[in-house]
Amino acid sequence: GIQVEQSPPDLILQEGANSTLRCNFSDSVNNLQWFHQNPWGQLINLFYIPSGTKQNGRLSATTVATERYSLLYISSSQTTDSGVYFCAVEYGNKLVFGAGTILRVKS
Amino acid sequence: EPEVTQTPSHQVTQMGQEVILRCVPISNHLYFYWYRQILGQKVEFLVSFYNNEISEKSEIFDDQFSVERPDGSNFTLKIRSTKLEDSAMYFCASSEAPAGLSGAGNEQFFGPGTRLTVL
Repeated sequence: GIQVEQSPPDLILQEGANSTLRCNFSDSVNNLQWFHQNPWGQLINLFYIPSGTKQNGRLSATTVATERYSLLYISSSQTTDSGVYFCAVEYGNKLVFGAGTILRVKS
Repeated sequence: EPEVTQTPSHQVTQMGQEVILRCVPISNHLYFYWYRQILGQKVEFLVSFYNNEISEKSEIFDDQFSVERPDGSNFTLKIRSTKLEDSAMYFCASSEAPAGLSGAGNEQFFGPGTRLTVL
């Protein structure tokens, strides 16, 4: 099956710093989603981004499908950005998740 | 904004008992999914469901698991005889169009989850 790898596994930032999270996948996919899992465990949709670049406030994402990777950019990080960030790719009739990046933003 | 809802938020049960987890997908969505996340691990696919049939299931989804759409709004996951290793967060998701097609209609939206603890 498809492999989805995220890096880095852990990231600690000072409030106000920028960061880039990466998602690599081993096979062609139709679609890709980024999620934020908040401290209560909820999975919040950030981006649906099979290709190209999208921006939403301080967050943006880029997927280069031909090279099988996606990037999530967080600018001017805030403590509320803390949590786990997952990328998930569509493969068959399902999403396959990476292991996530644990982000801690310190004030 | 429409959202997926799940009940209960927490369920504690004894090993060997049956549990039913309930989900109300977004109203115009036709494709439904269950995923689970064991504490500290990645989110894993269990099953996808469309038109009253299972579209795809994972190896985890064995004979102890079943899904049903008992009416026009609910989507349920039943675990027949729970085991300790079934303890996890269970997420329901829905999409307008099926996974595997191009287009934003197949974006999956997740419910808040049910935390199942098997003692």
